[in-house]
Amino acid sequence: NAGVMQNPRHLVRRRGQEARLRCSPMKGHSHVYWYRQLPEEGLKFMVYLQKENIIDESGMPKERFSAEFPKEGPSILRIQQVVRGDSAAYFCASSPQGQGSGEAFFGQGTRLTVV
Amino acid sequence: GQQLNQSPQSMFIQEGEDVSMNCTSSSIFNTWLWYKQDPGEGPVLLIALYKAGELTSNGRLTAQFGITRKDSFLNISASIPSDVGIYFCAGLNYGGSQGNLIFGKGTKLSVKP
Repeated sequence: NAGVMQNPRHLVRRRGQEARLRCSPMKGHSHVYWYRQLPEEGLKFMVYLQKENIIDESGMPKERFSAEFPKEGPSILRIQQVVRGDSAAYFCASSPQGQGSGEAFFGQGTRLTVV
Repeated sequence: GQQLNQSPQSMFIQEGEDVSMNCTSSSIFNTWLWYKQDPGEGPVLLIALYKAGELTSNGRLTAQFGITRKDSFLNISASIPSDVGIYFCAGLNYGGSQGNLIFGKGTKLSVKP
């Protein structure tokens, strides 16, 4: 059973470009969570999605960031017009039910570098 | 917003020694979780605690959910070189979104053989 798959593992973008980060949850998991980690910091919650629904986006910046989890295909975190401050590791986690079980599994992350 | 204070920030220990780290919060959490993160990898869940006062072990790891629900500790006994990494505590409050884990800043563990 493959784990949570994120790609790309590393992404370099110039300022002003768009970044698309993909996350395929574990088989059978219908809940996806995105977190951001700055160097020397813990993970910060961004958004919680179920298939075709955004459940909680309280951690998402109001502009330039969006997320989706379509009926078919991976979840996508999209950052438009990237700036240097967007450089971070972005982690996706998935669970078969709400994270109330505390048993979401994390992917290996996408490390975004904005130059 | 809610914050977790995790200490110590870093530890340098000799192989075979025991390790203790803790997390405190000004807010109550209903679930406490401990993760380990290796360089370049995502966090891996070590122990989950669901009940105030609960003491849970996983091999050489032991964690407790504080009675006040505002703190938790993690102990590692007889450390080995592969214990090296960053350990994070995280709290989940059912009052909010079930997706919103609050993470501490981590304890970086280094083990000298």
